[in-house]
Amino acid sequence: NAGVTQTPKFRILKIGQSMTLQCTQDMNHNYMYWYRQDPGMGLKLIYYSVGAGITDKGEVPNGYNVSRSTTEDFPLRLELAAPSQTSVYFCASSYGVAEPKQFFGPGTRLTVL
Amino acid sequence: DAKTTQPPSMDCAEGRAANLPCNHSTISGNEYVYWYRQIHSQGPQYIIHGLKNNETNEMASLIITEDRKSSTLILPHATLRDTAVYYCIVRASLGGVDYKLSFGAGTTVTVRA
Repeated sequence: NAGVTQTPKFRILKIGQSMTLQCTQDMNHNYMYWYRQDPGMGLKLIYYSVGAGITDKGEVPNGYNVSRSTTEDFPLRLELAAPSQTSVYFCASSYGVAEPKQFFGPGTRLTVL
Repeated sequence: DAKTTQPPSMDCAEGRAANLPCNHSTISGNEYVYWYRQIHSQGPQYIIHGLKNNETNEMASLIITEDRKSSTLILPHATLRDTAVYYCIVRASLGGVDYKLSFGAGTTVTVRA
Protein backbone atom coordinates (compact mmCIF):
# COMPACT_ATOMS: atom_id res chain seq x y z
CA ASN A 1 0.00 0.00 0.00
CA ALA A 2 1.22 3.49 -0.84
CA GLY A 3 -0.80 4.94 2.07
CA VAL A 4 -1.60 8.65 1.66
CA THR A 5 0.00 10.37 -1.30
CA GLN A 6 0.04 14.09 -2.02
CA THR A 7 0.98 16.08 -5.11
CA PRO A 8 2.76 18.33 -5.75
CA LYS A 9 5.52 18.30 -3.14
CA PHE A 10 6.36 21.95 -3.68
CA ARG A 11 4.62 24.84 -5.39
CA ILE A 12 5.12 28.59 -5.70
CA LEU A 13 2.04 30.66 -6.55
CA LYS A 14 1.56 34.31 -7.30
CA ILE A 15 -1.06 36.27 -5.38
CA GLY A 16 -4.48 35.70 -6.91
CA GLN A 17 -3.61 32.45 -8.67
CA SER A 18 -5.52 29.24 -8.06
CA MET A 19 -4.44 25.66 -7.62
CA THR A 20 -5.58 22.27 -6.45
CA LEU A 21 -3.65 20.15 -4.00
CA GLN A 22 -4.20 16.48 -4.67
CA CYS A 23 -4.59 13.79 -2.01
CA THR A 24 -5.19 10.08 -2.56
CA GLN A 25 -5.34 7.18 -0.12
CA ASP A 26 -5.45 3.48 -0.94
CA MET A 27 -6.47 2.17 2.48
CA ASN A 28 -10.24 2.39 1.87
CA HIS A 29 -10.54 4.88 4.70
CA ASN A 30 -13.84 6.66 5.13
CA TYR A 31 -12.45 9.76 6.82
CA MET A 32 -10.10 12.22 5.21
CA TYR A 33 -8.67 15.52 6.47
CA TRP A 34 -6.73 18.55 5.34
CA TYR A 35 -4.42 20.35 7.76
CA ARG A 36 -2.09 23.27 7.37
CA GLN A 37 1.07 23.87 9.37
CA ASP A 38 2.64 27.28 9.56
CA PRO A 39 6.33 27.56 10.44
CA GLY A 40 7.02 26.58 14.05
CA MET A 41 3.36 25.91 14.75
CA GLY A 42 1.12 22.92 15.22
CA LEU A 43 -1.35 21.67 12.63
CA LYS A 44 -4.74 23.28 12.09
CA LEU A 45 -7.67 21.49 10.51
CA ILE A 46 -8.98 23.09 7.31
CA TYR A 47 -11.66 20.66 6.10
CA TYR A 48 -12.61 17.07 6.68
CA SER A 49 -14.80 14.44 5.06
CA VAL A 50 -16.56 11.45 6.59
CA GLY A 51 -17.27 9.77 3.26
CA ALA A 52 -17.79 10.33 -0.44
CA GLY A 53 -20.06 13.31 -1.00
CA ILE A 54 -19.81 14.57 2.59
CA THR A 55 -17.48 17.37 3.66
CA ASP A 56 -17.41 19.88 6.48
CA LYS A 57 -15.37 22.82 7.72
CA GLY A 58 -12.62 22.61 10.26
CA GLU A 59 -10.94 25.40 12.19
CA VAL A 60 -9.55 27.47 9.31
CA PRO A 61 -11.65 26.89 6.14
CA ASN A 62 -11.65 30.43 4.71
CA GLY A 63 -9.99 30.65 1.30
CA TYR A 64 -10.27 26.92 0.60
CA ASN A 65 -12.73 24.49 -0.94
CA VAL A 66 -12.87 20.71 -1.03
CA SER A 67 -14.78 17.95 -2.74
CA ARG A 68 -15.02 14.20 -2.15
CA SER A 69 -16.41 12.41 -5.18
CA THR A 70 -14.67 9.10 -4.42
CA THR A 71 -13.47 7.33 -1.29
CA GLU A 72 -9.87 7.57 -2.45
CA ASP A 73 -9.52 11.24 -3.41
CA PHE A 74 -9.89 14.45 -1.41
CA PRO A 75 -8.55 17.47 -3.34
CA LEU A 76 -8.10 20.88 -1.72
CA ARG A 77 -8.72 23.95 -3.86
CA LEU A 78 -7.21 27.39 -3.29
CA GLU A 79 -9.12 29.93 -5.33
CA LEU A 80 -7.41 33.30 -4.85
CA ALA A 81 -4.03 32.61 -3.31
CA ALA A 82 -2.87 35.02 -0.62
CA PRO A 83 0.49 35.27 1.20
CA SER A 84 -1.29 34.14 4.38
CA GLN A 85 -1.79 30.75 2.74
CA THR A 86 1.93 30.12 2.61
CA SER A 87 2.20 26.93 4.62
CA VAL A 88 2.78 23.20 4.53
CA TYR A 89 -0.40 21.28 3.78
CA PHE A 90 -0.94 17.77 5.07
CA CYS A 91 -3.64 15.36 4.03
CA ALA A 92 -4.62 12.54 6.38
CA SER A 93 -7.06 9.66 6.48
CA SER A 94 -8.53 7.32 9.04
CA TYR A 95 -10.87 4.37 9.02
CA GLY A 96 -13.32 6.00 11.38
CA VAL A 97 -14.44 6.09 14.96
CA ALA A 98 -13.43 2.51 15.65
CA GLU A 99 -9.89 3.15 14.41
CA PRO A 100 -8.74 6.52 15.70
CA LYS A 101 -5.30 6.60 14.11
CA GLN A 102 -4.84 9.17 11.39
CA PHE A 103 -2.35 8.42 8.64
CA PHE A 104 -0.64 11.44 7.15
CA GLY A 105 0.76 12.13 3.72
CA PRO A 106 4.21 13.67 3.16
CA GLY A 107 2.87 17.20 2.72
CA THR A 108 2.82 19.93 0.08
CA ARG A 109 4.97 23.00 0.72
CA LEU A 110 3.20 26.04 -0.75
CA THR A 111 4.63 29.53 -1.06
CA VAL A 112 2.49 32.46 -2.20
CA LEU A 113 4.42 35.50 -3.39
CA ASP B 1 -11.70 20.47 23.79
CA ALA B 2 -9.39 19.75 26.69
CA LYS B 3 -6.20 21.76 26.41
CA THR B 4 -2.81 20.13 26.81
CA THR B 5 0.40 21.56 28.19
CA GLN B 6 3.81 20.20 27.23
CA PRO B 7 7.35 21.43 27.84
CA PRO B 8 8.67 23.14 24.70
CA SER B 9 11.83 21.07 24.49
CA MET B 10 13.87 18.33 26.11
CA ASP B 11 17.10 16.46 25.48
CA CYS B 12 17.70 12.78 25.88
CA ALA B 13 20.78 10.58 25.69
CA GLU B 14 20.80 7.84 23.09
CA GLY B 15 19.96 4.46 24.59
CA ARG B 16 18.26 5.95 27.64
CA ALA B 17 14.54 6.19 28.30
CA ALA B 18 12.84 9.43 27.32
CA ASN B 19 9.92 10.49 29.51
CA LEU B 20 7.67 13.10 27.93
CA PRO B 21 5.12 14.72 30.25
CA CYS B 22 1.75 16.17 29.30
CA ASN B 23 -0.83 17.95 31.42
CA HIS B 24 -4.52 17.80 30.47
CA SER B 25 -6.31 18.87 33.63
CA THR B 26 -9.63 19.66 31.90
CA ILE B 27 -9.98 16.32 30.14
CA SER B 28 -13.48 14.89 30.00
CA GLY B 29 -14.36 11.36 30.97
CA ASN B 30 -14.81 10.12 27.43
CA GLU B 31 -11.77 11.81 25.90
CA TYR B 32 -8.72 9.82 24.91
CA VAL B 33 -5.10 10.91 25.12
CA TYR B 34 -3.21 10.54 21.85
CA TRP B 35 0.46 10.92 21.08
CA TYR B 36 1.82 11.70 17.65
CA ARG B 37 5.26 12.72 16.54
CA GLN B 38 6.58 14.65 13.56
CA ILE B 39 10.06 14.06 12.30
CA HIS B 40 11.47 17.07 10.49
CA SER B 41 9.58 17.93 7.27
CA GLN B 42 7.49 14.76 7.40
CA GLY B 43 3.82 14.20 8.13
CA PRO B 44 2.86 13.39 11.73
CA GLN B 45 3.01 9.75 12.80
CA TYR B 46 0.68 8.08 15.28
CA ILE B 47 2.44 6.62 18.33
CA ILE B 48 -0.10 5.47 20.91
CA HIS B 49 -3.35 6.38 22.60
CA GLY B 50 -5.21 5.54 25.82
CA LEU B 51 -8.25 6.32 27.93
CA LYS B 52 -7.41 5.46 31.53
CA ASN B 53 -5.25 2.36 31.59
CA ASN B 54 -1.56 2.28 30.81
CA GLU B 55 -0.81 1.23 27.25
CA THR B 56 2.24 -0.22 25.52
CA ASN B 57 3.02 -0.95 21.92
CA GLU B 58 6.13 -1.52 19.85
CA MET B 59 6.98 2.17 19.83
CA ALA B 60 6.28 3.44 23.32
CA SER B 61 4.42 3.21 26.61
CA LEU B 62 1.74 5.58 27.83
CA ILE B 63 1.20 6.14 31.53
CA ILE B 64 -2.00 8.00 32.51
CA THR B 65 -2.46 9.15 36.09
CA GLU B 66 -5.43 7.85 38.01
CA ASP B 67 -7.19 11.23 37.94
CA ARG B 68 -6.40 11.43 34.18
CA LYS B 69 -5.13 14.97 34.52
CA SER B 70 -1.70 14.14 33.19
CA SER B 71 0.17 11.49 31.25
CA THR B 72 3.70 10.48 30.32
CA LEU B 73 4.92 9.03 27.07
CA ILE B 74 7.91 6.77 27.52
CA LEU B 75 10.33 5.93 24.72
CA PRO B 76 12.19 3.04 26.37
CA HIS B 77 15.46 3.18 24.47
CA ALA B 78 15.73 6.43 22.57
CA THR B 79 17.65 6.45 19.28
CA LEU B 80 18.79 9.32 17.10
CA ARG B 81 15.83 8.57 14.82
CA ASP B 82 13.48 9.48 17.66
CA THR B 83 14.49 13.14 17.37
CA ALA B 84 11.17 14.82 16.53
CA VAL B 85 8.38 17.05 17.78
CA TYR B 86 6.02 15.06 20.00
CA TYR B 87 2.40 16.08 20.28
CA CYS B 88 0.10 15.19 23.16
CA ILE B 89 -3.50 15.51 21.99
CA VAL B 90 -6.82 15.04 23.67
CA ARG B 91 -9.25 13.86 21.09
CA ALA B 92 -12.35 15.91 20.47
CA SER B 93 -15.32 14.17 18.99
CA LEU B 94 -18.67 15.47 17.92
CA GLY B 95 -21.56 13.08 17.96
CA GLY B 96 -19.16 10.15 17.86
CA VAL B 97 -17.45 11.38 14.72
CA ASP B 98 -13.66 11.30 14.76
CA TYR B 99 -13.23 14.62 13.06
CA LYS B 100 -10.57 16.55 14.79
CA LEU B 101 -7.12 16.25 16.29
CA SER B 102 -5.97 19.55 17.77
CA PHE B 103 -2.21 19.83 17.44
CA GLY B 104 -0.48 22.31 19.70
CA ALA B 105 3.18 23.29 19.68
CA GLY B 106 4.37 19.96 21.11
CA THR B 107 7.70 19.07 22.71
CA THR B 108 10.82 19.13 20.58
CA VAL B 109 12.84 16.09 21.64
CA THR B 110 16.50 15.96 20.70
CA VAL B 111 18.28 12.64 21.19
CA ARG B 112 22.02 13.09 21.54
CA ALA B 113 24.70 10.49 20.93
